[in-house]
Formats: sequence, C-alpha cells, structure tokens
Amino acid sequence: KNQVEQSPQSLIILEGKNCTLQCNYTVSPFSNLRWYKQDTGRGPVSLTIMTFSENTKSNGRYTATLDADTKQSSLHITASQLSDSASYICVVGNTGTASKLTFGTGTRLQVTL
Amino acid sequence: DAGVIQSPRHEVTEMGQEVTLRCKPISGHDYLFWYRQTMMRGLELLIYFNNNVPIDDSGMPEDRFSAKMPNASFSTLKIQPSEPRDSAVYFCASSFRTPTDTQYFGPGTRLTVL
Repeated sequence: KNQVEQSPQSLIILEGKNCTLQCNYTVSPFSNLRWYKQDTGRGPVSLTIMTFSENTKSNGRYTATLDADTKQSSLHITASQLSDSASYICVVGNTGTASKLTFGTGTRLQVTL
Repeated sequence: DAGVIQSPRHEVTEMGQEVTLRCKPISGHDYLFWYRQTMMRGLELLIYFNNNVPIDDSGMPEDRFSAKMPNASFSTLKIQPSEPRDSAVYFCASSFRTPTDTQYFGPGTRLTVL
C-alpha cells in the first residue's frame, strides 16, 4: 500500500532558527515528490517538485532533499520567520498521473518570538 | 490572473440537503482537480478533469458525490444528499499542461453539515 509518513507531527521553533521536516514514503513506482506549504485557512502552495534524478532543490530559504534509495525526503528551512508558520505537506506521485498522488498528513510548524 | 476561484467560501447546511460547490480554474490550465481535506485523513484527491473530461473519479467517496465541468472555466462538485461526515474543506486546483505540473489551489470551501 502506498503511504507517505511525515515527522514530526508538529514543531515549535524560535524565529531565526533552522529546522528540518522529514518525509518517508513507500510509493512505488516513484515519479515525483512535492512539498506544499499551507497557511491556516488557505489552499496549499507548491514549494518544490523533485523527480527521481534530483536530490536537492531550493526555493529561497527552503531546501528539499530526496534520497530515492532510502525513500526519504527532507525540507530544511533556514533562518525561520514568523511567516513560515504553516502546515507542510509531502506529496508523492507515481506513474506521473495526478490520480496516483499519495499525501502525507503534514507537519504543523509554529515559529515564535 | 486572479488565481483559482471557489465559491462559496463557507457553507452550512442540514443533513439531507443538496450542496453545490463551484470552481473557476486559472485561464489556460488544462487540468482541474477536486480535493477534500479533513484533520483525520488530510488531503484526498476526489476527481480530476483534463480539457473538461473526467479522467479519474476513483477518489469520489460514493454515489452521493458528483462533479461536472461543462466548460474550461467552470466546474461543480455536488453532494446529494449531504451527511455530517461530509464536513470538510473542499479545494479546487488547476495545472497548466500535465497533472504533474505545479498545481495551483483555490482558497477552499469549508462545508459544515449539521
């Protein structure tokens, strides 16, 4: 069964600190992996999309890594800001079709002063 | 472009009533997706369309749910009859040329069935 597990479920960090969110998946055959950011009361916004051949991708202060061998991905946030407070969702696709997307339940990040 | 537009933003209805959710995708996008999000199950893909044609509705929970896309700029998700367990946030998203392109989500419709 295709599954995506994220950890931790929630995280509180001080502004300016770095943090790393984890995603483990058992989706097969693997096609791509996406990280979404979802602010409270809003729809998810895509941060990164990685295919099998990519092992790192950055979007500003966000850096995603992918290890297709161990089926793990991480999202690293550098110098966190209050606006980073949101849920971060890992989504893994196979066969390249949307109907094969498997969603994680997300990590809720809170950045405090 | 204004992005993906959904209406209503909030809907409160009583069990047994018909509910219709509406979506206007980004102009020029070929794919449209309907998602449901709950605390327990997270985001779930319900159905998606390519050029107005339903491609995969395997995520639609049961026959009470139906979706249409009569033209490239409008789609509806209908629940009839509604039940309390349908309470969730329903998102519409669209992507440009393929389903693996970046998907742009609307603000969602928060549905409460009493």
